[in-house]
Amino acid sequence: DAKTTQPPSMDCAEGRAANLPCNHSTISGNEYVYWYRQIHSQGPQYIIHGLKNNETNEMASLIITEDRKSSTLILPHATLRDTAVYYCIVRVVSINTDKLIFGTGTRLQVFP
Amino acid sequence: DSGVTQTPKHLITATGQRVTLRCSPRSGDLSVYWYQQSLDQGLQFLIQYYNGEERAKGNILERFSAQQFPDLHSELNLSSLELGDSALYFCASSPQTFLGEKLFFGSGTQLSVL
Repeated sequence: DAKTTQPPSMDCAEGRAANLPCNHSTISGNEYVYWYRQIHSQGPQYIIHGLKNNETNEMASLIITEDRKSSTLILPHATLRDTAVYYCIVRVVSINTDKLIFGTGTRLQVFP
Repeated sequence: DSGVTQTPKHLITATGQRVTLRCSPRSGDLSVYWYQQSLDQGLQFLIQYYNGEERAKGNILERFSAQQFPDLHSELNLSSLELGDSALYFCASSPQTFLGEKLFFGSGTQLSVL
């Protein structure tokens, strides 16, 4: 299974952009990169996902390198409510399997 | 609100007992996933069902089993419970099983084994 590597923690000032990196050097050509976040012990919340092109939605932007070995999640204007654990995930799908493999995530602390 | 409903929210039981966790997926979603989150293991994928059939297995113990019913709700059965089974159990659903779709997670069931 493809694995991801993220820094264990990051800080960001409120109102500034938060850039969360992720390495997924063993990703296969048909595997998507997903980002979820978890606030306290709530259920993980979907943020964004992509295959090879950069993606943007109302929550964030996802930048995937051309070789697809790494990506960056960008929260353009972080707020205190964005404090959470952010998971970068490679979704593994084949005839016999379909699963999101969560790593240890990055704990983002947004401070005033 | 993700639209995925898990019951009960909290469950306290004793070692050796058996419990059933229930998950109602979002309306129309055919695929259901179960995850376990403990303090030392993070979020672990347990099992996935698609339209009533088991499709993928992860780190699920033999003491655990699951099923998806014709109305698409799913149950996770945990038996011969041990202290180490104490964890948050999440259910997620998606419309199908497809690379480009999102998984929506429920709010979880907190299981405490005493």
